[in-house]
Amino acid sequence: QVQLVQSGAEVKKPGASVKVSCKASGYTFTSYGISWVRQAPGQGLEWMGWISAYNGNTNYAQKLQGRVTMTTDTSTSTAYMELRSLRSDDTAVYYCARESIAVAGPLHDWGQGTLVTVSS
Amino acid sequence: DIVMTQSPDSLAVSLGERATINCKSSQSVLYSSNNKNYLAWYQQKPGQPPKLLIYWASTRESGVPDRFSGSGSGTDFTLTISSLQAEDVAVYYCQQYYSTRPFTFGPGTKVDIK
Repeated sequence: QVQLVQSGAEVKKPGASVKVSCKASGYTFTSYGISWVRQAPGQGLEWMGWISAYNGNTNYAQKLQGRVTMTTDTSTSTAYMELRSLRSDDTAVYYCARESIAVAGPLHDWGQGTLVTVSS
Repeated sequence: DIVMTQSPDSLAVSLGERATINCKSSQSVLYSSNNKNYLAWYQQKPGQPPKLLIYWASTRESGVPDRFSGSGSGTDFTLTISSLQAEDVAVYYCQQYYSTRPFTFGPGTKVDIK
């Protein structure tokens, strides 16, 4: 069965960076993309960006351009999301989700989420 | 970017009764060449990641109970829970995936038991 297992919770100071991992199993990693979605406490879902595990193409939310980088390691079937220059409003649960390359959009499988807390 | 709105913000329904959630997009998400609406619905229970319920506006994801159904076209869509069960208490989100990213989400609708 498809599994996406994310790295553990992080506490960071403002201005620092965080890198969240998402290890995939149960499917051919390079046949899909990975989207990243975050959710601030008590708030809704915010799409952050997407990476193709096939060729590394990326697409980022405009508001995060310049601060976010998404990568993949096909040798370990792992996706990464790095967010830099952290601010207090980056405090959120960060999710990775599997997305078909053939039919972009619906997020069929999700990781368990990684809580990132930004606090001085 | 396409803006998604949902109504109501929250609703409380008696067990076994129907729950109806509305979603509206700022522009049509119907792709004329294939007559498909690029609209998905997700369910999120407290402390859990979202779960895909429906895509193409009305296609149920494998394993989703048939009491969940999606309808609508163009800019107006509805998620219906035909007979609310206790395990359906959750927040429900719509998402459009028309054209290019970002594939925006609606703000969510909270469903509770009356």
